[in-house]
Amino acid sequence: DTGVSQDPRHKITKRGQNVTFRCDPISEHNRLYWYRQTLGQGPEFLTYFQNEAQLEKSRLLSDRFSAERPKGSFSTLEIQRTEQGDSAMYLCASSSEAGEAFFGQGTRLTVV
Amino acid sequence: GDSVTQMEGPVTLSEEAFLTINCTYTATGYPSLFWYVQYPGEGLQLLLKATKADDKGSNKGFEATYRKETTSFHLEKGSVQVSDSAVYFCALSVGPSGTYKYIFGTGTRLKVLA
Repeated sequence: DTGVSQDPRHKITKRGQNVTFRCDPISEHNRLYWYRQTLGQGPEFLTYFQNEAQLEKSRLLSDRFSAERPKGSFSTLEIQRTEQGDSAMYLCASSSEAGEAFFGQGTRLTVV
Repeated sequence: GDSVTQMEGPVTLSEEAFLTINCTYTATGYPSLFWYVQYPGEGLQLLLKATKADDKGSNKGFEATYRKETTSFHLEKGSVQVSDSAVYFCALSVGPSGTYKYIFGTGTRLKVLA
């Protein structure tokens, strides 16, 4: 297994467009997390799945954001009607029941 | 709510100097504590962890001890190298009493000069 994989690595979009990011976790991991990181800051929690169930969503996650993990494997994060303030690195991580979180390389979103 | 506070950077040291990066936490349950490192242009990597009070995590010459009485998890290394230059993040995770999400500090940038 090659670790947590995120696609795309970079995305430039115009304001108002929709974007979707994909995360493939480590195969035996049942927990999956999405984080957002802006320059000079630590990762901020967005949402968390255990298998296919979305157990927690941050207040940071406005109605324009939606995440899914339909079969308890890969996950997608969609941002509708993007705004310049959405520009950030979006990080995905996964973990097993008792293990630590492993992070992907992230998707860097730039909204112009 | 749960939170992590770590010392602001940047921290600039000469090679072979002693490193301490302070981290304190607030948690309603009994957290596990972590240090993650982010090298330039790379993703977050787990450096070390401790899951209960008085545990010492260690890796690559770095150490941190889980101090419940002072709610701290300070990162130390006896002799830093240029290759240690990176951003270091302290984090906690509370579970099973919590939701297992990870809460991060703002990061401390370390620059080691040859």
